[in-house]
Amino acid sequence: DIQMTQSPSSLSASVGDIVTITCRASQSIDRWLAWYQQKPGRAPKLLIYKASDLETGAPSRFSGSGSGTEFTLTISTLQPDDFATYYCQQYSSYSVTFGQGTKVEIK
Amino acid sequence: QITLKESGPTVVKPTQTLTLTCILSGFSLSTSGEGVGWIRQPPGKALEWLALIYWDDDKRYSPSLKSRLTITKDTSRNQVVLTMTNMDPVDTATYYCAHRRGYSGYDLYYFDNWGQGTLVTVSS
Repeated sequence: DIQMTQSPSSLSASVGDIVTITCRASQSIDRWLAWYQQKPGRAPKLLIYKASDLETGAPSRFSGSGSGTEFTLTISTLQPDDFATYYCQQYSSYSVTFGQGTKVEIK
Repeated sequence: QITLKESGPTVVKPTQTLTLTCILSGFSLSTSGEGVGWIRQPPGKALEWLALIYWDDDKRYSPSLKSRLTITKDTSRNQVVLTMTNMDPVDTATYYCAHRRGYSGYDLYYFDNWGQGTLVTVSS
């Protein structure tokens, strides 16, 4: 299986901050990467696919970049609704795998 | 509008077999290119993909759990069923079904619509 490692595991930030989350793959996955947002007690919600394509309906303050083994999710201006846990998912192989998550908390 | 809804037991005993059903709405698994997957999440932990079934009945399983999983579909009832044998307390988790979005002819996919999830506790 391809291992996905996110960093940091958690972070504290304030409304209006720029937040960056990193996801690293154990081998090249080209651009086959998705990002999800999950709030407590809720199902994950798709934000980004193919590394940088914004899902319809997702706010434009979310952006993704990267290719190969290193990827980033950026929230340009953190909003109160963005405090959640974020997961990356590789889909380079049929056996998709997720990162361990990054929890974004209020400072 | 695509929706999915999981149902099944909330508690199972160790060694028992878990059977979960996912009711689909807004799309049909008889349509070329469609697929539905199962993902689980232990309390406070990360997501783990379990299995996926395609419209043509092709199936994919997590290598680490393959021996315990079976995924099937009933197109006439628009539902997908996951069974997991020999349940253990470490299998306690919220189980989600999700709609696959991918690329026709390619075994590449992510999940664009998720069910609400169902919490399964394994305890004697």
